Amino acid sequence: DQQVKQNSPSLSVQEGRISILNCDYTNSMFDYFLWYKKYPAEGPTFLISISSIKDKNEDGRFTVFLNKSAKHLSLHIVPSQPGDSAVYFCAANPTQTGANNLFFGTGTRLTVIP
Amino acid sequence: EAGVAQSPRYKIIEKRQSVAFWCNPISGHATLYWYQQILGQGPKLLIQFQNNGVVDDSQLPKDRFSAERLKGVDSTLKIQPAKLEDSAVYLCASSFGGLAKETQYFGPGTRLLVL
Repeated sequence: DQQVKQNSPSLSVQEGRISILNCDYTNSMFDYFLWYKKYPAEGPTFLISISSIKDKNEDGRFTVFLNKSAKHLSLHIVPSQPGDSAVYFCAANPTQTGANNLFFGTGTRLTVIP
Repeated sequence: EAGVAQSPRYKIIEKRQSVAFWCNPISGHATLYWYQQILGQGPKLLIQFQNNGVVDDSQLPKDRFSAERLKGVDSTLKIQPAKLEDSAVYLCASSFGGLAKETQYFGPGTRLLVL
Protein backbone atom coordinates (compact mmCIF):
# COMPACT_ATOMS: atom_id res chain seq x y z
CA ASP A 1 0.00 0.00 0.00
CA GLN A 2 1.82 3.06 -1.30
CA GLN A 3 0.88 5.93 1.01
CA VAL A 4 3.09 8.46 -0.76
CA LYS A 5 2.90 8.62 -4.53
CA GLN A 6 4.96 10.33 -7.17
CA ASN A 7 3.13 9.65 -10.40
CA SER A 8 5.74 11.10 -12.75
CA PRO A 9 8.77 8.79 -12.99
CA SER A 10 10.72 11.35 -14.99
CA LEU A 11 10.80 15.02 -15.95
CA SER A 12 12.99 16.94 -18.40
CA VAL A 13 13.41 20.69 -18.19
CA GLN A 14 15.54 23.24 -19.99
CA GLU A 15 18.23 24.99 -17.95
CA GLY A 16 16.92 28.24 -16.49
CA ARG A 17 13.28 27.16 -16.58
CA ILE A 18 11.13 26.04 -13.65
CA SER A 19 10.99 22.40 -12.56
CA ILE A 20 7.83 21.27 -10.78
CA LEU A 21 7.80 17.89 -9.07
CA ASN A 22 4.56 16.57 -7.62
CA CYS A 23 3.67 14.27 -4.76
CA ASP A 24 0.38 12.95 -3.37
CA TYR A 25 -0.30 11.20 -0.09
CA THR A 26 -3.22 9.27 1.34
CA ASN A 27 -2.61 9.08 5.09
CA SER A 28 -4.22 11.95 7.01
CA MET A 29 -1.82 11.33 9.90
CA PHE A 30 1.09 12.69 7.86
CA ASP A 31 1.91 16.18 9.12
CA TYR A 32 5.52 16.74 8.10
CA PHE A 33 6.82 16.44 4.58
CA LEU A 34 10.29 16.36 3.12
CA TRP A 35 12.06 16.25 -0.20
CA TYR A 36 15.27 14.30 -0.64
CA LYS A 37 17.60 14.42 -3.62
CA LYS A 38 19.63 11.43 -4.77
CA TYR A 39 22.58 11.28 -7.13
CA PRO A 40 23.70 7.92 -8.61
CA ALA A 41 25.71 5.73 -6.23
CA GLU A 42 25.01 8.10 -3.32
CA GLY A 43 22.48 8.05 -0.54
CA PRO A 44 19.54 10.48 -0.49
CA THR A 45 20.32 13.94 0.90
CA PHE A 46 17.81 16.18 2.61
CA LEU A 47 16.68 19.13 0.52
CA ILE A 48 13.73 20.93 2.10
CA SER A 49 10.79 20.26 4.40
CA ILE A 50 7.41 21.68 5.33
CA SER A 51 5.14 21.27 8.32
CA SER A 52 1.40 20.87 7.84
CA ILE A 53 0.76 24.17 9.62
CA LYS A 54 2.30 25.96 6.66
CA ASP A 55 1.44 25.97 2.98
CA LYS A 56 4.76 27.17 1.63
CA ASN A 57 8.42 26.96 2.54
CA GLU A 58 11.21 28.53 0.53
CA ASP A 59 14.96 27.97 0.57
CA GLY A 60 16.87 29.70 -2.19
CA ARG A 61 15.88 28.23 -5.54
CA PHE A 62 13.72 25.57 -3.89
CA THR A 63 10.13 26.08 -2.75
CA VAL A 64 7.75 23.45 -1.43
CA PHE A 65 4.00 23.99 -1.53
CA LEU A 66 1.52 21.99 0.54
CA ASN A 67 -2.21 21.64 -0.19
CA LYS A 68 -3.60 19.74 2.78
CA SER A 69 -7.14 19.51 1.49
CA ALA A 70 -5.92 17.87 -1.71
CA LYS A 71 -3.23 15.85 0.11
CA HIS A 72 -0.77 17.18 -2.44
CA LEU A 73 2.63 18.79 -2.31
CA SER A 74 4.98 20.06 -4.95
CA LEU A 75 8.60 21.09 -5.21
CA HIS A 76 9.48 24.04 -7.42
CA ILE A 77 13.04 24.61 -8.55
CA VAL A 78 13.71 27.92 -10.25
CA PRO A 79 15.86 28.50 -12.12
CA SER A 80 16.76 24.89 -12.85
CA GLN A 81 20.45 24.09 -13.25
CA PRO A 82 22.18 21.04 -14.78
CA GLY A 83 23.49 20.12 -11.30
CA ASP A 84 19.89 19.66 -10.21
CA SER A 85 19.67 16.54 -12.37
CA ALA A 86 18.97 13.76 -9.88
CA VAL A 87 16.18 11.58 -8.51
CA TYR A 88 13.89 13.45 -6.12
CA PHE A 89 12.01 11.58 -3.40
CA CYS A 90 9.04 12.94 -1.53
CA ALA A 91 8.69 11.67 2.05
CA ALA A 92 6.07 12.04 4.75
CA ASN A 93 6.18 11.68 8.53
CA PRO A 94 3.32 11.15 11.01
CA THR A 95 5.07 13.10 13.77
CA GLN A 96 2.31 12.61 16.33
CA THR A 97 3.62 9.09 16.79
CA GLY A 98 6.69 10.68 18.34
CA ALA A 99 8.97 8.60 16.18
CA ASN A 100 10.83 9.73 13.10
CA ASN A 101 9.23 7.40 10.56
CA LEU A 102 9.61 8.42 6.95
CA PHE A 103 7.38 7.06 4.21
CA PHE A 104 8.90 7.62 0.78
CA GLY A 105 7.44 7.97 -2.68
CA THR A 106 8.88 6.14 -5.67
CA GLY A 107 10.90 9.11 -6.90
CA THR A 108 10.99 11.38 -9.95
CA ARG A 109 14.09 11.55 -12.11
CA LEU A 110 14.75 15.16 -13.09
CA THR A 111 16.95 15.91 -16.07
CA VAL A 112 17.95 19.52 -16.64
CA ILE A 113 19.06 20.04 -20.20
CA PRO A 114 21.85 22.63 -20.72
CA GLU B 1 32.39 15.82 9.59
CA ALA B 2 32.38 12.26 8.27
CA GLY B 3 29.08 10.99 6.91
CA VAL B 4 27.36 7.65 7.35
CA ALA B 5 29.67 4.83 6.26
CA GLN B 6 28.46 1.54 4.82
CA SER B 7 30.21 -1.59 3.61
CA PRO B 8 30.39 -3.43 1.39
CA ARG B 9 29.15 -1.23 -1.44
CA TYR B 10 28.19 -4.19 -3.62
CA LYS B 11 27.44 -7.82 -2.91
CA ILE B 12 26.39 -10.69 -5.17
CA ILE B 13 25.22 -13.94 -3.59
CA GLU B 14 23.17 -16.96 -4.53
CA LYS B 15 19.74 -17.57 -3.03
CA ARG B 16 19.74 -19.36 0.30
CA GLN B 17 23.15 -17.92 1.16
CA SER B 18 23.62 -15.48 4.03
CA VAL B 19 24.93 -11.92 3.86
CA ALA B 20 25.73 -9.13 6.31
CA PHE B 21 25.93 -5.38 5.90
CA TRP B 22 27.72 -2.94 8.17
CA CYS B 23 26.90 0.66 9.01
CA ASN B 24 28.74 3.30 11.02
CA PRO B 25 26.57 6.36 11.70
CA ILE B 26 27.64 9.97 12.07
CA SER B 27 29.52 10.43 15.31
CA GLY B 28 27.19 11.37 18.15
CA HIS B 29 24.02 10.28 16.40
CA ALA B 30 21.89 8.20 18.74
CA THR B 31 19.38 6.95 16.20
CA LEU B 32 20.15 4.57 13.35
CA TYR B 33 17.83 3.39 10.60
CA TRP B 34 18.03 0.60 8.02
CA TYR B 35 16.02 1.02 4.82
CA GLN B 36 15.44 -1.32 1.87
CA GLN B 37 15.09 0.25 -1.56
CA ILE B 38 13.90 -2.12 -4.26
CA LEU B 39 14.50 -1.00 -7.84
CA GLY B 40 11.85 1.50 -8.93
CA GLN B 41 10.57 2.06 -5.41
CA GLY B 42 11.29 4.47 -2.61
CA PRO B 43 13.21 3.48 0.52
CA LYS B 44 11.21 1.48 3.05
CA LEU B 45 12.12 1.46 6.73
CA LEU B 46 13.14 -1.95 8.04
CA ILE B 47 14.29 -1.14 11.56
CA GLN B 48 15.07 1.86 13.76
CA PHE B 49 17.44 1.84 16.74
CA GLN B 50 17.70 4.40 19.52
CA ASN B 51 21.17 3.84 20.97
CA ASN B 52 21.23 0.01 21.24
CA GLY B 53 17.48 -0.46 21.65
CA VAL B 54 14.95 -1.20 18.89
CA VAL B 55 12.33 1.52 18.41
CA ASP B 56 10.50 0.06 15.41
CA ASP B 57 11.03 -3.22 13.58
CA SER B 58 7.48 -3.72 12.37
CA GLN B 59 8.55 -3.89 8.71
CA LEU B 60 11.49 -6.25 9.26
CA PRO B 61 10.91 -9.81 7.91
CA LYS B 62 12.08 -11.42 11.10
CA ASP B 63 12.12 -14.95 9.74
CA ARG B 64 15.18 -14.09 7.66
CA PHE B 65 16.37 -10.60 8.59
CA SER B 66 18.11 -9.62 11.80
CA ALA B 67 19.88 -6.49 12.94
CA GLU B 68 21.89 -5.46 15.95
CA ARG B 69 23.54 -2.38 17.37
CA LEU B 70 25.26 -3.85 20.38
CA LYS B 71 27.31 -0.88 21.59
CA GLY B 72 24.94 1.80 20.38
CA VAL B 73 27.27 2.92 17.62
CA ASP B 74 27.72 0.81 14.49
CA SER B 75 25.18 -1.72 13.31
CA THR B 76 24.95 -4.93 11.29
CA LEU B 77 22.03 -6.08 9.18
CA LYS B 78 21.95 -9.77 8.27
CA ILE B 79 19.86 -11.78 5.82
CA GLN B 80 19.77 -15.56 6.24
CA PRO B 81 18.78 -17.23 3.98
CA ALA B 82 18.53 -14.75 1.12
CA LYS B 83 15.73 -14.87 -1.45
CA LEU B 84 15.65 -13.47 -4.96
CA GLU B 85 13.25 -10.72 -3.84
CA ASP B 86 15.85 -9.43 -1.36
CA SER B 87 17.77 -7.90 -4.27
CA ALA B 88 17.79 -4.21 -3.41
CA VAL B 89 19.89 -1.34 -2.10
CA TYR B 90 20.16 -1.37 1.68
CA LEU B 91 20.49 2.14 3.04
CA CYS B 92 21.61 3.09 6.51
CA ALA B 93 20.73 6.48 7.96
CA SER B 94 21.29 8.24 11.25
CA SER B 95 19.87 11.20 13.11
CA PHE B 96 20.97 13.04 16.22
CA GLY B 97 18.24 12.06 18.65
CA GLY B 98 15.46 10.32 16.76
CA LEU B 99 12.88 13.00 17.51
CA ALA B 100 10.24 13.64 14.91
CA LYS B 101 11.37 16.14 12.26
CA GLU B 102 15.08 15.52 12.83
CA THR B 103 16.95 15.25 9.57
CA GLN B 104 18.02 11.75 8.63
CA TYR B 105 21.44 11.49 6.97
CA PHE B 106 21.91 8.59 4.60
CA GLY B 107 24.91 6.51 3.69
CA PRO B 108 25.71 5.49 0.09
CA GLY B 109 24.01 2.11 0.49
CA THR B 110 24.91 -1.51 -0.19
CA ARG B 111 23.62 -2.88 -3.48
CA LEU B 112 22.69 -6.56 -3.08
CA LEU B 113 22.02 -8.90 -5.97
CA VAL B 114 20.64 -12.35 -5.18
CA LEU B 115 20.97 -14.86 -8.02
